Amino acid sequence: QSVLTQPPSVSGAPGQRVTISCVGSSSNIGAGYDVHWYQQLPGTAPKLLIYGNSNRPSGVPDRFSGSKSGTSASLAITGLQAEDEAAYYCQSYDSSLSGSRVFGGGTKLTVL
Amino acid sequence: QVQLQESGPGLVKPSQTLSLTCTVSGGSISSGSYYWSWIRQPAGKGLEWIGRIYTSGSTNYNPSLKSRVTISVDTSKNQFSLKLSSVTAADTAVYYCARDVGAYNYFDYWGQGTLVTVSS
Repeated sequence: QSVLTQPPSVSGAPGQRVTISCVGSSSNIGAGYDVHWYQQLPGTAPKLLIYGNSNRPSGVPDRFSGSKSGTSASLAITGLQAEDEAAYYCQSYDSSLSGSRVFGGGTKLTVL
Repeated sequence: QVQLQESGPGLVKPSQTLSLTCTVSGGSISSGSYYWSWIRQPAGKGLEWIGRIYTSGSTNYNPSLKSRVTISVDTSKNQFSLKLSSVTAADTAVYYCARDVGAYNYFDYWGQGTLVTVSS
């Protein structure tokens, strides 16, 4: 069981908007620690997509956005494209686990 | 542009010690306020943080693996290493090294990953 909870899968048609949730607890997201998101294309290493809840690294399209509220966070993808089909992971810090970085279980996005 | 590359045996026998090295290029491992982490991913499953090291030698480990993990750094070679002892089939995974932006708790650069299989 992952410390952060994500839906196993989401799907959407090209051009649509999808959101992926990430639910934590009072020792991680709810404690105020930032949430970060990674995109993992099939057969490749994860890539940083969003850091600090809502910031995009250089080169990440503005179709990707992140938000955080209370003990949860969300990743939104607008204008879905076939190339967005990937697994998405949220990540945060957990104060109850000795400096541990913790991940969500991952969400597989299918572009219909 | 920072690049990371994992290396080490792809096959380890049960009960033995898994050893991997991550070589950092495109910048000094000692520059900036960065930690250096190991993360693993069993086939078809999610990501698990193993631990991290600062160039001072300070380490943090995942409590679930702490008794079996040692992470070390060699600044002269711009490398850091992972040792995981008493491995079982459950340790079979792709192992990634990553740069850990310590103050902000995220990973901005990742290696391509290396598959380690535990089998006799």
